[in-house]
Amino acid sequence: GENVEQHPSTLSVQEGDSAVIKCTYSDSASNYFPWYKQELGKRPQLIIDIRSNVGEKKDQRIAVTLNKTAKHFSLHITETQPEDSAVYFCAASIRGSGYSTLTFGKGTMLLVSP
Amino acid sequence: KAGVTQTPRYLIKTRGQQVTLSCSPISGHRSVSWYQQTPGQGLQFLFEYFSETQRNKGNFPGRFSGRQFSNSRSEMNVSTLELGDSALYLCASSSRPNSYEQYFGPGTRLTVT
Repeated sequence: GENVEQHPSTLSVQEGDSAVIKCTYSDSASNYFPWYKQELGKRPQLIIDIRSNVGEKKDQRIAVTLNKTAKHFSLHITETQPEDSAVYFCAASIRGSGYSTLTFGKGTMLLVSP
Repeated sequence: KAGVTQTPRYLIKTRGQQVTLSCSPISGHRSVSWYQQTPGQGLQFLFEYFSETQRNKGNFPGRFSGRQFSNSRSEMNVSTLELGDSALYLCASSSRPNSYEQYFGPGTRLTVT
């Protein structure tokens, strides 16, 4: 089955810096890669996703890149703010398989200091 | 539209007991997936239901089961609870399998003592 590795497990940055979180996946059939943000005590929230036919996607301060050949994808947050502090999860899925199953990375705790 | 709702939000049970958790998806969504979240293992897939049928199952023992009703609401059941079953149980809804966006409920925090 699919296996998703996520690094780093914790990331501390100063407000205004950029943050990068990287994930690798094992199943070359995976074609959908969402990112979720989970604040303490809250539900995971979808913040951005990318499909395998796209190399990069941007939404304001957040961007995701995908390298299908290397089987890795990354989340980039620019101009970080204290409210970006949360745990971020990457996930991989095969859309078109008849399932919606997500395989998650172990998460990255991002701490943005003012 | 109302979001995904889960009941109860918190539950304390004793080893050996059983528990039933409920998930109501977003109106119009017919696919429901369940995940277990623990500090050590992260988010792990339990099972997925669509049109009252289990479409996929994760690598969990048979003590974990689920079902979906005709109104798309889903329940999961854990029998013979073990200490290791303490976790946050999350359900996620999507309009159908293969749809791209899934939305999570707030979760049920289960503590087994």
